[in-house]
Order: sequence, then structure tokens, then C-alpha cells
Amino acid sequence: QVQLQESGPGLVKPSETLSLTCTVSGGSISGYYWTWIRQPPGKGLEWIGYIYDSGSTNYNPSLKSRVTISVDTSKNQFSLKLSSVTAADTAVYYCARPSYGYRFGAFEYWGQGTLVSVSS
Amino acid sequence: EIVLTQSPATLSLSPGERATLSCRASQSVSNYLAWYQHKPGQAPRLLIYDASKRATGIPARFRGSGSGTDFTLTISSLEPEDFAVYYCQQRHNWPPSFGQGTKVEIK
Repeated sequence: QVQLQESGPGLVKPSETLSLTCTVSGGSISGYYWTWIRQPPGKGLEWIGYIYDSGSTNYNPSLKSRVTISVDTSKNQFSLKLSSVTAADTAVYYCARPSYGYRFGAFEYWGQGTLVSVSS
Repeated sequence: EIVLTQSPATLSLSPGERATLSCRASQSVSNYLAWYQHKPGQAPRLLIYDASKRATGIPARFRGSGSGTDFTLTISSLEPEDFAVYYCQQRHNWPPSFGQGTKVEIK
């Protein structure tokens, strides 16, 4: 059974860079589009972007200038960096994996989510 | 970006009743629509993908239907564990987008 677990600081200062890692267990990182999704308090879900095992990426245009997603296949991990954060970036951040062959949907596996607050 | 509008925002029902949730897209998404169940403090759970295909392990009481711009998630008889927030999500147009959710609460 595939399991995903997010890790990283729960508090980030404004203008700094948010950094999270997702560790994948129970399956290979190869062949899938590893995705980050977030949910601000009281709001809906927002797709942030994905990375394929080859390293190719695709980001939400609303965040593209600030987002970097990377992968470390040797550690079965992928990571999110979001720069120049503001209070609007406060959210629960999820890592997720779509079903095989899907890039942008059918997110079959999710992490539990981690709350990141942006505050001084 | 395609906007998905879910209705109603809240549905108050009793166990055993039928739940009908709606998701309307601002333009056609063909059948590229998924439904997720989300409970507080838990990971979202994929219920339905490609409008009507049940994900692995999802009970038959969950049924998805629709195409184009209008979609429905039907829960035929609510079980106590079904009270949650439900989101629709489209993957037809980039970037993928989610609806704002429908909360199914116990009446």
C-alpha cells in the first residue's frame, strides 16, 4: 500500500521560502506525476503542480513564479519550495499521487497534510 | 481556468437518506471529473473518477453521473461514515481545479 507523508516547518516568516518534503513508501516513485495541493483555512483545494520521475514539472500559473518542485528518486522523496510567502500562503499542504496514467486528476493517494502558517 | 460550482453548500440529511450533490463546470470538461470525500484531519479520498468510475474499494452506494458541464454524485443511502465534505475536480483544462465543496451533515 502506497503511503505519502509530508514533513517540514509548520511556521514560516513572511517573504521567506516555504519548504516541504513528501516521502513515498510502499511503492516506487517512478512512472507517476507527484503532486502538491493545498487548502487555505476555510477554502477549497488548489492544485500547485507536479513533477514526473524524469524531473519534468508543471505548475499552476497563479503560483508559477514562486514554485519549485523537485524529486530525489534515490530517497523516494519529492519536495516543494514556495518563495516570497505571505499570509495568503497559509494552508494545509498535501502531497498526492494520481492513478497510473493520469497527470491532473484521479488523485488516488494523499498524505495526511501539514499545516503551514505564515506569520512573523 | 475552469470554475466548478458545487451545490448545495450544505446538505442536512439523516442516515439512510439519499444524498444528491451537484457540480457544474463553467465550460465543458467532457467526462474528466472526479469526486473526493474529505473528513477533518484526514487525507481526501478518491471516490469517483472520469465522472462515473468508482475508485478501488469504494462502495456501490456512491454513484457518479454526468458529462459536459453538469455532474452529480449520488449516495444512495447514507451511512454514518459518509458525513463529510465532498469536492469535485476537473482535469480537462489546465490547470486542474476543484469545486468549493458540499458539506453533508447529520440532520
